[in-house]
Amino acid sequence: EAQVTQNPRYLITVTGKKLTVTCSQNMNHEYMSWYRQDPGLGLRQIYYSMNVEVTDKGDVPEGYKVSRKEKRNFPLILESPSPNQTSLYFCASSLRGRPLQETQYFGPGTRLLVL
Amino acid sequence: EDQVTQSPEALRLQEGESSSLNCSYTVSGLRGLFWYRQDPGKGPEFLFTLYSAGEEKEKERLKATLTKKESFLHITAPKPEDSATYLCAVQVYGGSQGNLIFGKGTKLSVKP
Repeated sequence: EAQVTQNPRYLITVTGKKLTVTCSQNMNHEYMSWYRQDPGLGLRQIYYSMNVEVTDKGDVPEGYKVSRKEKRNFPLILESPSPNQTSLYFCASSLRGRPLQETQYFGPGTRLLVL
Repeated sequence: EDQVTQSPEALRLQEGESSSLNCSYTVSGLRGLFWYRQDPGKGPEFLFTLYSAGEEKEKERLKATLTKKESFLHITAPKPEDSATYLCAVQVYGGSQGNLIFGKGTKLSVKP
């Protein structure tokens, strides 16, 4: 089954404790992206990757890191989480990010609480 | 600044009562407009992509239309299982590659 998977689905942590949220897709998609969803603010892009070893900032990249060493995986790293990073995080992928618009498929989400 | 506004924020319908959701956008150049459905605690599920004014797409009880300033999601004879939050998003020329700019969504409740 074609899908985007994320782990963990739920995570409670404390301020400053490094964490990684994994994202994997089995559709051979070139493009992958991370979003966060907050009440009243909607979904906002954090980082994206056009292909292996190619990443760039989205609208809200502060406090996050990413890497793209393999085509199928795109982990999101919070090196020193803070309470304002408490949110619902979604990974998404599409066949390509350019030149034309492509449909993005979303993972099930990771709910993060930073105390 | 590119913006997407959805209205209403919430909509309550009786089963069978048709209605429309609105997505208005102010963008520098539209690449595509996307409609997603999101159920509580789940990721957005793709519904439609529209590329140019005048385009229409249908899927079961849903029909999406696009003009130069807005898109409508028409729901015909809705059922309780259509209850969800419907998200509109746009991709624009000149923005970060692949970035979807989302509206805040319309929460639809359909009562039996």
